[in-house]
Amino acid sequence: DGGITQSPKYLFRKEGQNVTLSCEQNLNHDAMYWYRQDPGQGLRLIYYSQIVNDFQKGDIAEGYSVSREKKESFPLTVTSAQKNPTAFYLCASSIQAAYNSPLHFGNGTRLTVT
Amino acid sequence: DQQVKQNSPSLSVQEGRISILNCDYTNSMFDYFLWYKKYPAEGPTFLISISSIKDKNEDGRFTVFLNKSAKHLSLHIVPSQPGDSAVYYCAAKLSGNTPLVFGKGTRLSVIA
Repeated sequence: DGGITQSPKYLFRKEGQNVTLSCEQNLNHDAMYWYRQDPGQGLRLIYYSQIVNDFQKGDIAEGYSVSREKKESFPLTVTSAQKNPTAFYLCASSIQAAYNSPLHFGNGTRLTVT
Repeated sequence: DQQVKQNSPSLSVQEGRISILNCDYTNSMFDYFLWYKKYPAEGPTFLISISSIKDKNEDGRFTVFLNKSAKHLSLHIVPSQPGDSAVYYCAAKLSGNTPLVFGKGTRLSVIA
């Protein structure tokens, strides 16, 4: 079955710790994305990557970092510099960012930082 | 500044009636528009899209209308079913290597 896998579904961390959220896709998509969802805020773009070894900042990149060493994988690190890290994080992929193709989303990771 | 606006945070509709979800955008250069449906604790799923060269696209019970002069699109669901109860997100895209821009969503409740 093709799809996007985000793990874990729930993640708990202490304030001041970095944490990495996993995202893997087997759809052979070139482009991958990270969005953050907060109540009443919709989906806000953190980072996106159109090809391996390349990525661009989205609207709210501060306090986050990403890597794209493999086409299938786009992990997101939430650093201690992110002031409000508690949120629902969604990873997505598409054939290519240039094409008018829909995004396919994973089922998200809920991160709670206390 | 929000480029894609969904001004109704919530909407309640009776089962069997029409649901109309609205979306406004500010950037006239957007050329591709999509609607997504999201259940709690899950990722959004793609529903329907429309290119800026069209003014209507239909897929079963779902129809999207685009009014470029008004920078407005709407999603019609007919007939509405209880399983349609979810948050609906409007999204838009510029041409080229650009990501989707999402609205804040509208929560639809279909009452049996």
